[in-house]
Amino acid sequence: NAGVTQTPKFRILKIGQSMTLQCTQDMNHNYMYWYRQDPGMGLKLIYYSVGAGITDKGEVPNGYNVSRSTTEDFPLRLELAAPSQTSVYFCASSYSTRQYSNQPQHFGDGTRLSIL
Amino acid sequence: TQLLEQSPQFLSIQEGENLTVYCNSSSVFSSLQWYRQEPGEGPVLLVTVVTGGEVKKLKRLTFQFGDARKDSSLHITAAQPGDTGLYLCAGEGYNQGGKLIFGQGTELSVKP
Repeated sequence: NAGVTQTPKFRILKIGQSMTLQCTQDMNHNYMYWYRQDPGMGLKLIYYSVGAGITDKGEVPNGYNVSRSTTEDFPLRLELAAPSQTSVYFCASSYSTRQYSNQPQHFGDGTRLSIL
Repeated sequence: TQLLEQSPQFLSIQEGENLTVYCNSSSVFSSLQWYRQEPGEGPVLLVTVVTGGEVKKLKRLTFQFGDARKDSSLHITAAQPGDTGLYLCAGEGYNQGGKLIFGQGTELSVKP
């Protein structure tokens, strides 16, 4: 049972570089999410997707882009990396509806990103 | 903007002690979830409470959803070192299907 798989696990970037954080899930979940986690700040939603071809901004989308071409994959792209984007990034998925879900989100193990 | 205030942020106790973590908001939620996160891993769901006033028990952990659906608590009885971790509450708003608002988290350390 792979669940949600994130790659890479660790990465160091220089200011101004770009990279893509990969996320794939094998549970056929319709919703997928990207969060960042900073110490003492909980999880902040960056972007989410309710299905293939549909994405929407979360609470902190600036400096990031996403795409959802398939149900399984939801990559997060950082353009022009900045020190403020140093964080731990988590991808999650769930089976939800627009009204409400009460369904758990299943998380990957995170990507630890440092920008120097 | 919906916010969830979680307290305390840090808690260090001895094995065998009891503790309570609080999650409060001025907003009403359709449900509230509690997650536990260990170092180097993603959060894992412990429980979902849906009905106002609902109480759920998971071994030594007791979860309660406030009557007004604006707050929740997690009570651990006779804490053990294995309970050490980050506890996160997360609320789902009405017609916000699937989107969660997370509290800041409570870092719990239980010393033997």
